[in-house]
Amino acid sequence: EAGVVQSPRYKIIEKKQPVAFWCNPISGHNTLYWYRQNLGQGPELLIRYENEEAVDDSQLPKDRFSAERLKGVDSTLKIQPAELGDSAVYLCASSSRGAQYEQYFGPGTRLTVT
Amino acid sequence: GQNIDQPTEMTATEGAIVQINCTYQTSGFNGLFWYQQHAGEAPTFLSYNVLDGLEEKGRFSSFLSRSKGYSYLLLKELQMKDSASYLCAVRDGNAGNMLTFGGGTRLMVKP
Repeated sequence: EAGVVQSPRYKIIEKKQPVAFWCNPISGHNTLYWYRQNLGQGPELLIRYENEEAVDDSQLPKDRFSAERLKGVDSTLKIQPAELGDSAVYLCASSSRGAQYEQYFGPGTRLTVT
Repeated sequence: GQNIDQPTEMTATEGAIVQINCTYQTSGFNGLFWYQQHAGEAPTFLSYNVLDGLEEKGRFSSFLSRSKGYSYLLLKELQMKDSASYLCAVRDGNAGNMLTFGGGTRLMVKP
């Protein structure tokens, strides 16, 4: 069974530029999460989807961040414009409904804003 | 909100036993998780505790005391490949079962 797939794995952009990250969760997993992980810290939740509905986006900086999960499968996280402080690893995770105690993480996208 | 504390770094010797502690404060505790994360890789699930006591899984065991807001991860017969960060995470039932992670404990296993 394929795991959570993310792309790109690495991205370097200049500040004020836009950037997008893509996530394909494990097949059949209804719940999808986007986390941000700064160096030496634990992941912090940005947004959680149940199918195509965003049920928890309180930590998402809505002035520059946006996310969508069309058709309740793949998801895209966008930053526009990027700032230096956005440099981090962006992790996508998924879990199946009824088994939300275990989240499966993708390899992440390492973003560097210069 | 939640407050999760765990040591930043630990060092242990190959073949030894190491205990990584985690303390937490939360209003709606609904489970505690331990994840392992090798440098540059995704966190992988290790264990889950929701009731008090010890959960054993091979060389790894996890303990929970809800009254004390305390958990530990015990790693036995340490191997070099166990060098990684270990993340403690608490699920809050009062916040839609949101998972909040601690900062992680970076374990270095030496020969």
